[in-house]
Amino acid sequence: KAGVTQTPRYLIKTRGQQVTLSCSPISGHRSVSWYQQTPGQGLQFLFEYFSETQRNKGNFPGRFSGRQFSNSRSEMNVSTLELGDSALYLCASSLPGLARYNEQFFGPGTRLTVL
Amino acid sequence: SQQGEEDPQALSIQEGENATMNCSYKTSINNLQWYRQNSGRGLVHLILIRSNEREKHSGRLRVTLDTSKKSSSLLITASRAADTASYFCATDLYTDKLIFGTGTRLQVFP
Repeated sequence: KAGVTQTPRYLIKTRGQQVTLSCSPISGHRSVSWYQQTPGQGLQFLFEYFSETQRNKGNFPGRFSGRQFSNSRSEMNVSTLELGDSALYLCASSLPGLARYNEQFFGPGTRLTVL
Repeated sequence: SQQGEEDPQALSIQEGENATMNCSYKTSINNLQWYRQNSGRGLVHLILIRSNEREKHSGRLRVTLDTSKKSSSLLITASRAADTASYFCATDLYTDKLIFGTGTRLQVFP
């Protein structure tokens, strides 16, 4: 069974631009979570989607948004990029049920650099 | 904000030695998970231990949970160079979110 895939793997943007990251979960997984990882803040929860609905949201500004499609694939968008948005963005999928109860399967991440 | 704090922040050992890392958290939890991350890559799930469990084993891994002290430990026995990675605990804070700790960087020298 194929693992979680994330595209693109690397991305360079400039301040003020927007970016869209994509995540394809493991087949059969309907829950998708997004995390931001930086050296200073560590792993921070962004949001969780289940059946096309946002189920949970972390403490990030409204510039960070996401969505999930009927095939469980998910995208996250960051508008008006800031230097501090440079990070590794990780997507994780799991079986139905809340993320906190289930093993999370992570993708390799998208490394975003904002110049 | 971080829920879990791992200790130590970094650990260096020789192959064959045991590695122990600890995680402390602040509030009641439903369960606690441990993950491994190789440099700059995605995380890999190691073990999930529920709040009513005290110890769990998986291969060379042993996890303990002490809810009275709000702490957990991960023991890796007979370490190998391939165990070099960062290790994170993750808890649920009795909320719907999975919150990761700060991580322990383990270096195993051949």
